Amino acid sequence: DGGITQSPKYLFRKEGQNVTLSCEQNLNHDAMYWYRQDPGQGLRLIYYSQIVNDFQKGDIAEGYSVSREKKESFPLTVTSAQKNPTAFYLCASSPLAGDPNEQFFGPGTRLTVL
Amino acid sequence: GIQVEQSPPDLILQEGANSTLRCNFSDSVNNLQWFHQNPWGQLINLFYIPSGTKQNGRLSATTVATERYSLLYISSSQTTDSGVYFCAVPYVGNYQLIWGAGTKLIIKP
Repeated sequence: DGGITQSPKYLFRKEGQNVTLSCEQNLNHDAMYWYRQDPGQGLRLIYYSQIVNDFQKGDIAEGYSVSREKKESFPLTVTSAQKNPTAFYLCASSPLAGDPNEQFFGPGTRLTVL
Repeated sequence: GIQVEQSPPDLILQEGANSTLRCNFSDSVNNLQWFHQNPWGQLINLFYIPSGTKQNGRLSATTVATERYSLLYISSSQTTDSGVYFCAVPYVGNYQLIWGAGTKLIIKP
């Protein structure tokens, strides 16, 4: 089945550790996105990528890093510089890089910093 | 930038009731999406509707772009309809979506 997968579903991290969240899509979409959602809030954009080897910062990129070495993969690293990383992280993709259009979402990763 | 406002913020209904959720936006947009976030956090695409009316089963949506609003109708509500409903529109010229704050819907059995 085509879709977007994220792993792990739940992630626990000690303060000071970097962690990497996986996002893979087999929809052949050009653009991919990472969002953060805090309890009771909407989504905020962290990073997005329109094509391989290129990505742009969103509204809250500080303390995060990404890579886009393959079209189907867009991993997010939450670094120790992120002051309040506990949140729900959602990855999305959309079919056309040149036109802001319909985005589809993965199931999310819940990160908890202990 | 564009502002997106959703109403009501909360809605509690009995199973079988109908509901209308509203999304207002402050400027012209070339598309609009409605999503349902279920209690487990999964965001499900409901409609991609820049204008006009679309229907999918018990759900339908209407966007009146000239008047800058969209409506999501849910008929014969079921408990599985519970969750948060978001609308989102794109920034002009880039890839960010501007999100409304959501409507939290609770359907009681």
